[in-house]
Amino acid sequence: NAGVMQNPRHLVRRRGQEARLRCSPMKGHSHVYWYRQLPEEGLKFMVYLQKENIIDESGMPKERFSAEFPKEGPSILRIQQVVRGDSAAYFCASSPPPGPGSFTDTQYFGPGTRLTVL
Amino acid sequence: QKEVEQDPGPLSVPEGAIVSLNCTYSNSAFQYFMWYRQYSRKGPELLMYTYSSGNKEDGRFTAQVDKSSKYISLFIRDSQPSDSATYLCAMCVDSSASKIIFGSGTRLSIRP
Repeated sequence: NAGVMQNPRHLVRRRGQEARLRCSPMKGHSHVYWYRQLPEEGLKFMVYLQKENIIDESGMPKERFSAEFPKEGPSILRIQQVVRGDSAAYFCASSPPPGPGSFTDTQYFGPGTRLTVL
Repeated sequence: QKEVEQDPGPLSVPEGAIVSLNCTYSNSAFQYFMWYRQYSRKGPELLMYTYSSGNKEDGRFTAQVDKSSKYISLFIRDSQPSDSATYLCAMCVDSSASKIIFGSGTRLSIRP
């Protein structure tokens, strides 16, 4: 059973370009989460998605950032007009649907995409 | 004030030592407490989770939660060089675990 897959692993963009980060959840997982990790900092929640539905985007910057999880294909985190401050590691995690009263104790993390903005 | 505070370290101990990692938090609504291990250039992996107060043991790892003090700990016994990593505490309010708040991580190095 393949784990969470993210690509590309490394992405270099110039200021003003667009960055597209992809995440394929584990088989059977229908929930996807995106986190950003700056150097020497913990993971900061960005957005929580189910198929074709954004559940919680309270951690997403209001401008330039968007996320989707279509019915078919990977989840995409899109950053438009990137700036140097967007340079970070972006992690995706996935989890199965929660059962009644159960604790979805695991969000399985992918290896991350390291974005560098020149 | 951050919701979750964690000393970033780095922490360096000799092989075989007992390691103590800690976090404090401010939100009394947190019910589930987790520890993740993150190797360099990798994604975090869940080590252990605990619900509410108490202890939980798994091999060389013991997690403790003291909700009255808003303080959680991870102990590693008989530490090994392979334990060298960044350890992140994390917590959430409800069982859906849809929004996990992470500490900034403690970088641990075990000297052979």
